Amino acid sequence: NAGVIQTPRHKVTGKGQEATLWCEPISGHSAVFWYRQTIVQGLEFLTYFRNQAPIDDSGMPKERFSAQMPNQSHSTLKIQSTQPQDSAVYLCASSPAGANTGQLYFGEGSKLTVL
Amino acid sequence: GDSVTQTEGQVALSEEDFLTIHCNYSASGYPALFWYVQYPGEGPQFLFRASRDKEKGSSRGFEATYDKGTTSFHLRKASVQESDSAVYYCALGDRGMGYKLTFGTGTSLLVDP
Repeated sequence: NAGVIQTPRHKVTGKGQEATLWCEPISGHSAVFWYRQTIVQGLEFLTYFRNQAPIDDSGMPKERFSAQMPNQSHSTLKIQSTQPQDSAVYLCASSPAGANTGQLYFGEGSKLTVL
Repeated sequence: GDSVTQTEGQVALSEEDFLTIHCNYSASGYPALFWYVQYPGEGPQFLFRASRDKEKGSSRGFEATYDKGTTSFHLRKASVQESDSAVYYCALGDRGMGYKLTFGTGTSLLVDP
């Protein structure tokens, strides 16, 4: 089975441009998570969907960041007016429906570099 | 809020050495505890979990025991191999929020052959 697929693997944007990152969760998984990873902050929770509905976006910066899950096969993370401090690896993870294990399956990440 | 502390940022060992990576947590509820491992260029991979006091989780020779009294979940392995070189993350999961995970800062393990 294919794992979580994230595209693009690398994206370079200029300051002020928009960046959209895509995630395809494992088929049949109903929970999708977005995390951000940096050297300084480590792994930070951003947002979480269950059955496509937003459940918790407490980690999302209030401005410029948005996430959607329009269907069960993909989620997007959009960053408007990117800033150098947005440079990070953005990780998507999925988890099976009804699972009580808490086991997340992570993709390889999308590395965003803002110049 | 909930938090996880890993005191060792880096650990350097030789093959067949004993490994301990310390993990302490702070949580308002009764979380599940996890260890994840991350290799270069990859996302973190689930290693194992424990969900109640005194429960031991284990996988691939690694193990840790949930200790509610000391709020700890230390990772141990009796004999490390070069292939164990990776970054190890302790995490706690909020059961009420579909296991939204809070990660520690990670411990980089380097094993010399």
